[in-house]
Amino acid sequence: DAMVIQNPRYQVTQFGKPVTLSCSQTLNHNVMYWYQQKSSQAPKLLFHYYDKDFNNEADTPDNFQSRRPNTSFCFLDIRSPGLGDAAMYLCATSRDNVGYSSYNEQFFGPGTRLTVL
Amino acid sequence: AQSVTQPDIHITVSEGASLELRCNYSYGATPYLFWYVQSPGQGLQLLLKYFSGDTLVQGIKGFEAEFKRSQSSFNLRKPSVHWSDAAEYFCAAILMDSNYQLIWGAGTKLIIKP
Repeated sequence: DAMVIQNPRYQVTQFGKPVTLSCSQTLNHNVMYWYQQKSSQAPKLLFHYYDKDFNNEADTPDNFQSRRPNTSFCFLDIRSPGLGDAAMYLCATSRDNVGYSSYNEQFFGPGTRLTVL
Repeated sequence: AQSVTQPDIHITVSEGASLELRCNYSYGATPYLFWYVQSPGQGLQLLLKYFSGDTLVQGIKGFEAEFKRSQSSFNLRKPSVHWSDAAEYFCAAILMDSNYQLIWGAGTKLIIKP
């Protein structure tokens, strides 16, 4: 089945220690998104890629970076995690993100829960 | 500003009872509307979506939603809930003026009483 895969499902890191979360997709979608979701809150978009074009949300901290080496993979790097970065990180994909189209529908992975000690 | 509102933070329903979760949007035109469900510690699963056409849409797990343009609403319904429906439900919309990104409601936590 075509899907969005996130590894690991649970990640524990230490305060200030860089961490990388990964996402892969078999849907061959053009767009990949990273969201941060804190407990009992809606997901918050951090950034997205349209193919290789990177789009950062204005309020995403510099501490968060992303890489998309190819269509299938996208990584979220947190350079110096703080206690406030503990959250669920969700990866999503869509075929497109321009215009009013069903191609904009987003498909979500299971998420990676990050704990910062 | 465009927004999606879920007025109920929590809803408690007895198992077997009917359910309606409210969602309102603030936007001049018809958005592309979604309902997602999230079980504890899990990712988001799409229940249903409305893009155009028939305003009553059927989804997975026995859910349906009705788009009402006059009320700017897209309420989610289920005739008889099961204990496994206990989860957080998010309404979301794609709006032309949001750069076609998802605008999320705050979520409604559904609690099922035995």
